[in-house]
Amino acid sequence: NAGVMQNPRHLVRRRGQEARLRCSPMKGHSHVYWYRQLPEEGLKFMVYLQKENIIDESGMPKERFSAEFPKEGPSILRIQQVVRGDSAAYFCASSPRDSYQPQHFGDGTRLSIL
Amino acid sequence: GDSVTQMEGPVTLSEEAFLTINCTYTATGYPSLFWYVQYPGEGLQLLLKATKADDKGSNKGFEATYRKETTSFHLEKGSVQVSDSAVYFCALSDLWGNEKLTFGTGTRLTIIP
Repeated sequence: NAGVMQNPRHLVRRRGQEARLRCSPMKGHSHVYWYRQLPEEGLKFMVYLQKENIIDESGMPKERFSAEFPKEGPSILRIQQVVRGDSAAYFCASSPRDSYQPQHFGDGTRLSIL
Repeated sequence: GDSVTQMEGPVTLSEEAFLTINCTYTATGYPSLFWYVQYPGEGLQLLLKATKADDKGSNKGFEATYRKETTSFHLEKGSVQVSDSAVYFCALSDLWGNEKLTFGTGTRLTIIP
């Protein structure tokens, strides 16, 4: 029973490049959430998606960041023209359609910007 | 908006000591409350949860009671072990149509043998 799968685990990019982070939810889960954890801080909500729909993107920076969860395939968090301040751990979580079920988290992608 | 205030760390205890990590919250509606644990280099694991007032969540010897009157959800364990060393996060989710989690800043716990 595979959990939430994120890849890559570690990603290094130079300033100005693009970063693509992938998340495959648990089997049977149709809701995906992305969170960002800055060093020594708690997790901050970024975006909540269901298949082909963005439900809540109130935590997403207005520029350079985008997310999708297509009908087929994993959810993608895309960061264009990365800057040093984007260095963080990015966690994906998923939950089933039942809103009373807790979210299950992946092991995260640690993004480092050189 | 919703917020979670968590006891600041780091917390260092000796093995078999009693643990309390305080957590209070501010929310509209009737949130669900959670404790998550994060081991080094890993993602968050759900430790326990409570969905309504006076509910007690428990798991692996840890307990927390949803106190609506004091808006608190303190984490307790009677006898900690070295393997409990981790970062603990208190969180809430708003059941009113939006399930995003709002986290506290985390408390780093270190247990000394």
